Amino acid sequence: GAVVSQHPSRVICKSGTSVKIECRSLDFQATTMFWYRQFPKKSLMLMATSNEGSKATYEQGVEKDKFLINHASLTLSTLTVTSAHPEDSSFYICSASPWDSSYEQYFGPGTRLTVT
Amino acid sequence: GEDVEQSLFLSVREGDSSVINCTYTDSSSTYLYWYKQEPGAGLQLLTYIFSNMDMKQDQRLTVLLNKKDKHLSLRIADTQTGDSAIYFCAERGYSSASKIIFGSGTRLSIRP
Repeated sequence: GAVVSQHPSRVICKSGTSVKIECRSLDFQATTMFWYRQFPKKSLMLMATSNEGSKATYEQGVEKDKFLINHASLTLSTLTVTSAHPEDSSFYICSASPWDSSYEQYFGPGTRLTVT
Repeated sequence: GEDVEQSLFLSVREGDSSVINCTYTDSSSTYLYWYKQEPGAGLQLLTYIFSNMDMKQDQRLTVLLNKKDKHLSLRIADTQTGDSAIYFCAERGYSSASKIIFGSGTRLSIRP
């Protein structure tokens, strides 16, 4: 149990375009989902916390207008990178906490974004 | 602020035990985690321990917590080539609104 999926696993887009990444909890309901960014050989950087039905809480330094987060249901959160630039190229990972055990956090497989 | 520190690299001979160490600064840490990340993949939750526990064992994995010294370790018995990965230590406070704070990760390599 406790499987989190992400789609797509890899995406290449051109500068100036937008790309949407989906995060789904497959076998549990998640009131809270998290979006992280990971740079090569580095740890995870929390970008935002997403609660179902409410606005996401962004970490300091993360542009909320550039990284749009929507948590429309208890099993789906999306991250849209708007007007992407090469410096947005990174590994984006989502995670989800089950509603009944919030101390557990399960991670998706990640999405490799390359902006050309 | 909260900080979690780990050594960056560990090299172990196949069949030996691996011990990955972690220190943290937040005395209110309630949940402590070990995650495994293989190349190009997300993080896999290996195990976690509550702050009121000293030890937790799960098959080849043993977690030891020294709350006084704010020291957490992960021991992998009979290390295999499939254990090669980056291991992240992480901690979180009691509140459901608390963020998980990750260490920088320890890259475990296995030599024959």
